[in-house]
Amino acid sequence: GQQLNQSPQSMFIQEGEDVSMNCTSSSIFNTWLWYKQDPGEGPVLLIALYKAGELTSNGRLTAQFGITRKDSFLNISASIPSDVGIYFCAGSKTSYDKVIFGPGTSLSVIP
Amino acid sequence: GAVVSQHPSWVICKSGTSVKIECRSLDFQATTMFWYRQFPKQSLMLMATSNEGSKATYEQGVEKDKFLINHASLTLSTLTVTSAHPEDSSFYICSGQAFTNEKLFFGSGTQLSVL
Repeated sequence: GQQLNQSPQSMFIQEGEDVSMNCTSSSIFNTWLWYKQDPGEGPVLLIALYKAGELTSNGRLTAQFGITRKDSFLNISASIPSDVGIYFCAGSKTSYDKVIFGPGTSLSVIP
Repeated sequence: GAVVSQHPSWVICKSGTSVKIECRSLDFQATTMFWYRQFPKQSLMLMATSNEGSKATYEQGVEKDKFLINHASLTLSTLTVTSAHPEDSSFYICSGQAFTNEKLFFGSGTQLSVL
């Protein structure tokens, strides 16, 4: 079935560093979504992407919809302690397909 | 973003009892509600999809008689875990979607512990 892969699986960075994580698929997607989940909470939408090549920012976060439509990346600039959490990418292949989630990237920020 | 209110946040129950979890979309009409289950350090596993006024569509391996889903209005969906057993202990999360291919907005999750 459809599957999304996220890398890295986990990362430990110093406060102030920039972070980059990505999401790949063997299939073409027409929507990419990035979510952050804190422990014991539901995921919160960070950025939604709908067009190949689209680059969208939300504060210190920037995400891009890959040209091939098979990948997306999320960058976080100047990380802070509250960036800690699990980042999930999600996507759907067509307007009629359900959204599927990647396995997540766990981010730890060392003050 | 849009708000989905989910409660209870956590529930502890005895084995064999039933538990109902509610999700309400507060500022939009959720044409579709999705219910997920999440185990520690794992991703979200879709359990079922429900469209307002229709029967829910369950994913393979999810028992429809055990996980009863009702989506009677555009702002309310419920998940009832019937005759809960310890293996049903998990984090359950709902999400609402206004239109197909639109963003999903999640509730805050319910931690279910069955003793």
